[in-house]
Amino acid sequence: DSGVTQTPKHLITATGQRVTLRCSPRSGDLSVYWYQQSLDQGLQFLIQYYNGEERAKGNILERFSAQQFPDLHSELNLSSLELGDSALYFCASSAQEGVSPLHFGNGTRLTVT
Amino acid sequence: AQTVTQSQPEMSVQEAETVTLSCTYDTSESDYYLFWYKQPPSRQMILVIRQEAYKQQNATENRFSVNFQKAAKSFSLKISDSQLGDAAMYFCAYRFSNQAGTALIFGKGTTLSVSS
Repeated sequence: DSGVTQTPKHLITATGQRVTLRCSPRSGDLSVYWYQQSLDQGLQFLIQYYNGEERAKGNILERFSAQQFPDLHSELNLSSLELGDSALYFCASSAQEGVSPLHFGNGTRLTVT
Repeated sequence: AQTVTQSQPEMSVQEAETVTLSCTYDTSESDYYLFWYKQPPSRQMILVIRQEAYKQQNATENRFSVNFQKAAKSFSLKISDSQLGDAAMYFCAYRFSNQAGTALIFGKGTTLSVSS
């Protein structure tokens, strides 16, 4: 168990809808990262938060947004969903930038129909 | 831009044998970190081993070891005494550290199958 909790585990929704994915980092970790893994693809970095502030952006679509709350949990919001957004979304956390490895949650499987 | 390349989409090994997974990366940074992650069929991402670029000594974790060649920008993973439970997708990852952020960049992965 990595200590990173993601909910829900599975999510099925229709095109055009909006969903929210939730992540609770390991106790004490200040950084949260979001990744997208499409079928047969590697992990694409979406966005990073550190202690409540956005720290780095990757290939995140404008339809996607995220935030990290004072209790350090994070939410990834996906709107105007398209079939191509179907993927496994991972959250990861780390204790200190540039030093600690990332510890991943078990992911949220999003299916857009 | 930093990139990570895993040139072997699939590899196979027999139980108890040794296999090496290749990884190369491109960066202009001098301070960075390299990782290997394992993703079994459960899709969980599991850290296998890590290497700090400033360390010349290759990292080792039980049956897993790396061959880190900084000048060649190569970071291969050697699995000794392979076990059926080693069957998984293996991802090489690079992480830089600067004021802008510390994103982890992944290769596309190598699928390892283990036969008895």
